[in-house]
Amino acid sequence: QSVLTQPPSVSAAPGQKVTISCSGSSSNIGNNYVSWYQQLPGTAPKLLIYDNNKRPSGIPDRFSGSKSGTSATLGITGLQTGDEADYYCGTWDSSLSAGGVFGGGTKLTVL
Amino acid sequence: EVQLVESGGGLVQPGGSLRLSCAASGFTFSSYWMSWVRQAPGKGLEWVANIKQDGSEKYYVDSVKGRFTISRDNAKNSLYLQMNSLRAEDTAVYYCARGDTVTTYDYWGQGTLVTVSS
Repeated sequence: QSVLTQPPSVSAAPGQKVTISCSGSSSNIGNNYVSWYQQLPGTAPKLLIYDNNKRPSGIPDRFSGSKSGTSATLGITGLQTGDEADYYCGTWDSSLSAGGVFGGGTKLTVL
Repeated sequence: EVQLVESGGGLVQPGGSLRLSCAASGFTFSSYWMSWVRQAPGKGLEWVANIKQDGSEKYYVDSVKGRFTISRDNAKNSLYLQMNSLRAEDTAVYYCARGDTVTTYDYWGQGTLVTVSS
């Protein structure tokens, strides 16, 4: 059971838009920045979004992030078959057992 | 170019020990938080531990507290994870990751597989 809650899977057609939600609490998302990672099959995770809505250099603007209260959302527009991957949200939890936390991951299928 | 290269994984019996290493290059190692993140076969990411730039702060996930120790050698640009009293549930690919802050892992290594089995 992950601290952050993500839908197990989402799907959409090429060229369409999809959103992936990430729900937490006041001790994690509510008081810390959120980041998002893409993991292609058989590879290491890659940073897509940091500080809720910033993109590292090289990440296309098709990828966007937002945060409201204790939830965050990753948006992907103009879906491509190469976007098929697992997506994870992550942040810091400032509770008594302080530490990093991730969502359970969302498998994106581009139909 | 930022590079993180893990080593030290392998097969170990339950109750055994293993020391993972992560060799960093292409950036000023001493300026960044560093973390270990693991992924059990077919499962999601799990943060394991992190360490502040000067080693003065360390944090661990509850399931490894008292068994794992994270450390770093800034002179050698290296991160370590000493794993003792290993359990079957510690079986995973262990990634070394760089963090600009505690909420972001901007570069990841390729991972090293740890298998705990008799």
